[in-house]
Amino acid sequence: EDQVTQSPEALRLQEGESSSLNCSYTVSGLRGLFWYRQDPGKGPEFLFTLYSAGEEKEKERLKATLTKKESFLHITAPKPEDSATYLCAGLRGATNKLIFGTGTLLAVQP
Amino acid sequence: NAGVTQTPKFQVLKTGQSMTLQCAQDMNHNSMYWYRQDPGMGLRLIYYSASEGTTDKGEVPNGYNVSRLNKREFSLRLESAAPSQTSVYFCATPGQGSHEQYFGPGTRLTVT
Repeated sequence: EDQVTQSPEALRLQEGESSSLNCSYTVSGLRGLFWYRQDPGKGPEFLFTLYSAGEEKEKERLKATLTKKESFLHITAPKPEDSATYLCAGLRGATNKLIFGTGTLLAVQP
Repeated sequence: NAGVTQTPKFQVLKTGQSMTLQCAQDMNHNSMYWYRQDPGMGLRLIYYSASEGTTDKGEVPNGYNVSRLNKREFSLRLESAAPSQTSVYFCATPGQGSHEQYFGPGTRLTVT
């Protein structure tokens, strides 16, 4: 069964304290691994797509990496405005269906 | 360029009432999706439409119907609302030439 698991469920960091969020996946014929940011009361906002193991993408303080079994979202020197829920999703081959994890709620304290 | 719009933003229904959630996109993609988001469950696919005139069931279709009105619009209908359908509903569509899906702002539905 296709599954995407994110850990930890919640993470509290001090401003400037770097860390990583994990996304483990078993998705049939994975065609892409996606990261989204979701603020309270809003829809998910697209961040990155990763297509193959070894690929990395960066945006400001965020860097996403991909292996054959998991993806990491590295947050370097986070700021309070990085506080949000981060969602990971795998695109199942031949169906164009996204399988979502339950997210990691990140809180960055000043 | 509004991307994906949804109406209404909030709705409260009584058990047994019906309603239609509306979604429109201006990203000119053929595919559109309806998800629901519940605490601890993540986003789950209700229905999707690969192109105008076609619809298919997703992971949790029971209690819902959909209509792909044209390329831009995809509606989700609850014929007889139940408390288990209390959720946040999101519509999404991919960007042109890409696989990532772009989401609307959501409809927060409460069924009492």
